[in-house]
Amino acid sequence: EAQVTQNPRYLITVTGKKLTVTCSQNMNHEYMSWYRQDPGLGLRQIYYSMNVEVTDKGDVPEGYKVSRKEKRNFPLILESPSPNQTSLYFCASSPWRGGFQETQYFGPGTRLLVL
Amino acid sequence: SQQGEEDPQALSIQEGENATMNCSYKTSINNLQWYRQNSGRGLVHLILIRSNEREKHSGRLRVTLDTSKKSSSLLITASRAADTASYFCATVPSLIQGAQKLVFGQGTRLTINP
Repeated sequence: EAQVTQNPRYLITVTGKKLTVTCSQNMNHEYMSWYRQDPGLGLRQIYYSMNVEVTDKGDVPEGYKVSRKEKRNFPLILESPSPNQTSLYFCASSPWRGGFQETQYFGPGTRLLVL
Repeated sequence: SQQGEEDPQALSIQEGENATMNCSYKTSINNLQWYRQNSGRGLVHLILIRSNEREKHSGRLRVTLDTSKKSSSLLITASRAADTASYFCATVPSLIQGAQKLVFGQGTRLTINP
């Protein structure tokens, strides 16, 4: 089954404790991205990657890191989480055709609470 | 920066009625996508419409695109209780340097009353 998986689905942590949210897709998509969703602010893009070893900042990259060492995986790293990073996080992947993104396939989401 | 803006922000209708949601955007696009999200869950893709297309259908869904007005609409016909969800439009800019970003609107919260 074609899918995007994220782990963990729920996470409660404390300020400053490094964490990683994993994302994996099995559709051989070139493009992957991370979003956060907050009430009243919609979905905002954190980072994206157009292929292995190619990553770039989205609209809200502060406090986050990513890496793309393999095509299928795109982990999101919070080196020193703060309470303002409490949010619902989504990973997504998409084919890349003719220089443009196509349909996004979203993971189920990771709900993060930073105390 | 948000490019897509949905209107209305919330819509409540009776089961069986049609629901129309609108999306406006600011810059030229390569394609526009509509997604549905049930409460707190992942987004599900509904329809992708390209800049050279004017209308697309998928089951009870009809999407139109007017590039001269920089707007799109999503029509759900014969609504059902299961259509209750938030609906988002997302745009892929046509400029190569911006095409890597997918910009979402704030969404329309649709409630179908039995």
